[in-house]
Amino acid sequence: QSVLTQPPSASGTPGQSVIISCSGSSSNIGSQIVNWYQHLPGTAPTLLIYSNNLRPSGVPDRFSGSKSGTSASLAIGGLRSDDEGKYFCASWDDNLNGPIFGGGTKLTVL
Amino acid sequence: QVQLVQSGAEVKKPGASVKVSCKVSGYSLIEKSIHWVRQAPGEGLEWMGGFDAEDGETKYAQKFQGRVTMTEDTSTNTGYMEVRGLRSDDTAVYYCAIDRITIFGRYFDYWGQGTLITVSS
Repeated sequence: QSVLTQPPSASGTPGQSVIISCSGSSSNIGSQIVNWYQHLPGTAPTLLIYSNNLRPSGVPDRFSGSKSGTSASLAIGGLRSDDEGKYFCASWDDNLNGPIFGGGTKLTVL
Repeated sequence: QVQLVQSGAEVKKPGASVKVSCKVSGYSLIEKSIHWVRQAPGEGLEWMGGFDAEDGETKYAQKFQGRVTMTEDTSTNTGYMEVRGLRSDDTAVYYCAIDRITIFGRYFDYWGQGTLITVSS
């Protein structure tokens, strides 16, 4: 069972926006940064957002992250069919003394 | 271009051991470190452990201590993860990932393609 809580699924039509939430606690999100990973079918996971709201080189600005208290969110604007896949949030956990992940949200572009 | 290429899928019997490799190109393991994460069917990602560049030692999640060994061969830029005493609930896709520590925080900036380990009698 994942320590960070994400909705199992999200969906939208092409061009729409969608927000994926990630809920944790004071021992992880509340005191640590949040990273987001994109896992498209048949590929290796890739870093999408790091340090709450920073994008690695090459990630379009329609992907954005935010954090407030013990929760974080990933916003995807201008949905495209190739955005379909799974999105995971992650944060360092002081109790585990290591990173923890959300269960992943499967994004469907209708 | 950074690439992590893992060894192929394996089927093991309960009680056996398995060793997964992760060949890194585009990064020197002298400068970076590999961590291992697994995903069981229908479950989320689970961190298993990895080399902590800040402390200079390999750390393991408590549930894997004593049963998992992670090593790195810097001469071939390859990381290895061995799991002993395999059980059916070890059936999962195992990923290696490069741990990056910056002033902005810590994250896995590159991942391998995953290795499916199936434990079945």
